[in-house]
Amino acid sequence: ETGVTQTPRHLVMGMTNKKSLKCEQHLGHNAMYWYKQSAKKPLELMFVYNFKEQTENNSVPSRFSPECPNSSHLFLHLHTLQPEDSALYLCASSRRLAGNIDEQFFGPGTRLTVL
Amino acid sequence: DAKTTQPNSMESNEEEPVHLPCNHSTISGTDYIHWYRQLPSQGPEYVIHGLTSNVNNRMASLAIAEDRKSSTLILHRATLRDAAVYYCILVNDYKLSFGAGTTVTVRA
Repeated sequence: ETGVTQTPRHLVMGMTNKKSLKCEQHLGHNAMYWYKQSAKKPLELMFVYNFKEQTENNSVPSRFSPECPNSSHLFLHLHTLQPEDSALYLCASSRRLAGNIDEQFFGPGTRLTVL
Repeated sequence: DAKTTQPNSMESNEEEPVHLPCNHSTISGTDYIHWYRQLPSQGPEYVIHGLTSNVNNRMASLAIAEDRKSSTLILHRATLRDAAVYYCILVNDYKLSFGAGTTVTVRA
């Protein structure tokens, strides 16, 4: 596979469930990002990782827990979510972070519905 | 973050050019102007970026005003596949601050 892949593409979960979203990039990039896109709202940056180290947490509630085991993989662990967390979760990657104006490559997203 | 202003929507006919304006009157000297687009049911896709000079690539052209307070993305011949939300974003680090963008509709 090429580019940025995300699994699953669709996820329905209850508020007491625990689930994980997975992102994988095959581009040799060093920076990875999680974004959230809610209905009728602009994309919001959630987390940023650079060389596996988290460099930004954009005031995201602790029920969202990211993990970056290596530069190619990024996870978003979900637990005790609320219905208002239903959204499209997008992963992106770029070559580097510092002074970065490089383009970001986005995955297709995971459509999450919390019941 | 410096802000951009874009029209909510634009319509075009297939095979015709599309000019998408973006105002960014508070742009700083180190801000690059990036354009992304998001097709239905997909993640955003990079289109083009520039600093001061006009830029061309296989997807589009970017015309930047001399004072850099505005720019225009030009799709030279719109196709049905160009129907998307187009975002104009000012970037001087890794942070992309997406606005509402312009929804482009292409009529066959």
